[in-house]
Amino acid sequence: NAGVTQTPKFQVLKTGQSMTLQCAQDMNHEYMSWYRQDPGMGLRLIHYSVGAGITDQGEVPNGYNVSRSTTEDFPLRLLSAAPSQTSVYFCASSSTPIGSSYNSPLHFGNGTRLTVT
Amino acid sequence: QQPVQSPQAVILREGEDAVINCSSSKALYSVHWYRQKHGEAPVFLMILLKGGEQKGHDKISASFNEKKQQSSLYLTASQLSYSGTYFCGTEWLIKAAGNKLTFGGGTRVLVKP
Repeated sequence: NAGVTQTPKFQVLKTGQSMTLQCAQDMNHEYMSWYRQDPGMGLRLIHYSVGAGITDQGEVPNGYNVSRSTTEDFPLRLLSAAPSQTSVYFCASSSTPIGSSYNSPLHFGNGTRLTVT
Repeated sequence: QQPVQSPQAVILREGEDAVINCSSSKALYSVHWYRQKHGEAPVFLMILLKGGEQKGHDKISASFNEKKQQSSLYLTASQLSYSGTYFCGTEWLIKAAGNKLTFGGGTRVLVKP
């Protein structure tokens, strides 16, 4: 099992460029999410999905779009990159949605380090 | 709002104990604990559900006090491998808040020989 796979590992963008961060999981998890990690800020939730076709906003959604057409994939799109979006981005998945009767761990990908100049 | 973790950093000698606290301003349904090594992804340690259950993972254990809206992580007889940044993630009791796990700012732990 590969678990949660994120690509690319590193990316440098110029202000105003757009790009898509890829996330795929092979564990048949319904719940997937995107976090950004900045020094001293911990992990902040950008968007999440409780299943194919269902997405919702997290704490810091502005400047990012998501879609979930399959259970396996949950790409994150930056429409017009800004220096404030320089961060490490983590995708995570879980076998049951947070907030259901069961709680199961988040499985994190290895992250994408994004720099916007 | 993010839960508040304290302390922000702690330095230990091998074999010493430490406590990391995680406090929320809202009533909680569950608390997750994760550890992250430098340059790596966070790794799951344990989940505590409301009910005051205490859990353990090797010599790392945690408690959840619903009334205080607080969880504590206990590092007992620390080992060099315990070094890293510890994050608590909290899920609010109000389901209308949605399926969100909100993380604290982290506690950096350094265990020295």
